Amino acid sequence: SQQGEEDPQALSIQEGENATMNCSYKTSINNLQWYRQNSGRGLVHLILIRSNEREKHSGRLRVTLDTSKKSSSLLITASRAADTASYFCATGQAGANSKLTFGKGITLSVRP
Amino acid sequence: DGGITQSPKYLFRKEGQNVTLSCEQNLNHDAMYWYRQDPGQGLRLIYYSQIVNDFQKGDIAEGYSVSREKKESFPLTVTSAQKNPTAFYLCASSILNRNTIYFGEGSWLTVV
Repeated sequence: SQQGEEDPQALSIQEGENATMNCSYKTSINNLQWYRQNSGRGLVHLILIRSNEREKHSGRLRVTLDTSKKSSSLLITASRAADTASYFCATGQAGANSKLTFGKGITLSVRP
Repeated sequence: DGGITQSPKYLFRKEGQNVTLSCEQNLNHDAMYWYRQDPGQGLRLIYYSQIVNDFQKGDIAEGYSVSREKKESFPLTVTSAQKNPTAFYLCASSILNRNTIYFGEGSWLTVV
């Protein structure tokens, strides 16, 4: 069953703009992660935020987590054409070991 | 290079045939996973294994089988009982009890 629901489903922006993607989930989590997938390729892990954290940064990425609203956002600043990809949020439940549940993904297009 | 190798990249199956997708990892990870990806559906977990000679069903195990005879290898067989096997299949692995997982490049399976 799908746990994470990303929003919007598709996003098109101009190079240099910021891209904000959202993820909502339904049950308690241990952590939330964001992955990136280029067309026809495997997924690549971007960033993990734990349930006791509110914000995390990695390069041009900023992730926030609001456990009271059961939501997370991924911000990519100063986007580049190479950021064009699908982005997935994945939630890990407490006690579920390493089993993750993925959302349906957001397609990001960055126009040069 | 360390990583996860899936083969073949493209595979065609005739009606009634079983086919096996290979997944090998040299990351020394204990846990391995198989996901199926359909357009607009995100990733769905087929099977996972946390230790050699043991594996568990995921959300959509019907019509699939796996084995875990070696730590490095986790092949997936798509049986003739799987009525709609055309999809992109992703193998992944992780350190046990760590939520971040690492993906192979995927295999496309098409029924002809």
